[in-house]
Amino acid sequence: GAGVSQSPSNKVTEKGKDVELRCDPISGHTALYWYRQSLGQGLEFLIYFQGNSAPDKSGLPSDRFSAERTGGSVSTLTIQRTQQEDSAVYLCASSRGVGSGKETQYFGPGTRLLVL
Amino acid sequence: AQKITQTQPGMFVQEKEAVTLDCTYDTSDQSYGLFWYKQPSSGEMIFLIYQGSYDEQNATEGRYSLNFQKARKSANLVISASQLGDSAMYFCAMREAGMDSSYKLIFGSGTRLLVRP
Repeated sequence: GAGVSQSPSNKVTEKGKDVELRCDPISGHTALYWYRQSLGQGLEFLIYFQGNSAPDKSGLPSDRFSAERTGGSVSTLTIQRTQQEDSAVYLCASSRGVGSGKETQYFGPGTRLLVL
Repeated sequence: AQKITQTQPGMFVQEKEAVTLDCTYDTSDQSYGLFWYKQPSSGEMIFLIYQGSYDEQNATEGRYSLNFQKARKSANLVISASQLGDSAMYFCAMREAGMDSSYKLIFGSGTRLLVRP
């Protein structure tokens, strides 16, 4: 079956603009995660969805970042008023669920965001 | 706080030889999961192998095996018979018990492996 897909693959924006990043998880996967990979900070957790709810938003770096998930499937990560420090690769991952045997996370190809 | 340490920023290995990538972790949880991912230059994160904290045997997946030493809190990845396509960044990760049963991963800083022909 298809893996995790993300769009766009690359995004260049100007400082202060809003951007939306999309993630389409593996069909049937109930858990969805967003991570950010940057040169200075490595790989960081942003937010976790179980179904449509987000019980763990502890990694969102500021209130400019938000995310939603609809229909237990597609998720959108929105960054408002982008700053240059938001430049990074944004990775989405999904898993069958949580708990032993279901927890392996499979990653999408990422969205490379550059804020000028 | 839980932490993953990868002390080898870069490594070389000769094609067809075996190589061990080091990973140590720190956690006070009794139940946890350990993962290795490969990230080629294309940027995608590819799942390689998983070890649960209660698994008594070391995990193996083809040419990959995980040398799990619980008392030492280490989870080293062993790649046998290295191939040129194994050249990539390798990340060790641990499943952290987060808020509301979030199974988020925390990652080490990675090891860049270069396989020489």
